[in-house]
Amino acid sequence: EPEVTQTPSHQVTQMGQEVILRCVPISNHLYFYWYRQILGQKVEFLVSFYNNEISEKSEIFDDQFSVERPDGSNFTLKIRSTKLEDSAMYFCASGNRADTEAFFGQGTRLTVV
Amino acid sequence: AQSVTQLDSQVPVFEEAPVELRCNYSSSVSVYLFWYVQYPNQGLQLLLKYLSGSTLVESINGFEAEFNKSQTSFHLRKPSVHISDTAEYFCAVRKSGGGADGLTFGKGTHLIIQP
Repeated sequence: EPEVTQTPSHQVTQMGQEVILRCVPISNHLYFYWYRQILGQKVEFLVSFYNNEISEKSEIFDDQFSVERPDGSNFTLKIRSTKLEDSAMYFCASGNRADTEAFFGQGTRLTVV
Repeated sequence: AQSVTQLDSQVPVFEEAPVELRCNYSSSVSVYLFWYVQYPNQGLQLLLKYLSGSTLVESINGFEAEFNKSQTSFHLRKPSVHISDTAEYFCAVRKSGGGADGLTFGKGTHLIIQP
């Protein structure tokens, strides 16, 4: 069964460093998403991406964040200068239509120290 | 904007007993509704969804949820739970129709099955 894969599963980075989280969405999907879940809190929407551009973004997704689909298979989330409060589980998701469910990856746990 | 309320952060239930996990939402527009499940150390998996049509939707593992527009609810039920149902359950909504809108999640309910 096709699935969304995320790498790495756990990333530790120093405050102020740039980090790139990687995702391989399901191959025929067209809509891509990033969510995050700070420990003990709800899953929060960050950004959606369609047709090679950002479709929607939340207030969390400020200038520190960027997304890219560099090669037609990977979908990346970059955090330019990490802060302690960026520590969270980051989930990538993809969908083949806008009006159906999104399929989630296993997540990348980001720890900023 | 939409919001989702899952009032119960934890629900302990004995094995083979029935369970209901509550979900209420708020939205000024029509929405699609979802339940996702997260087993320990795993990602989010779709359990069931309501897009349109019959207000009662079912999953393959015995869960069902009913969309109640007047009460803005989408409660999840199972008549007889199993140990393997122990997980975190998230209710989510998104605006219906086209567009790559993100999901708005509730805080989750931890279902604890006691033998």
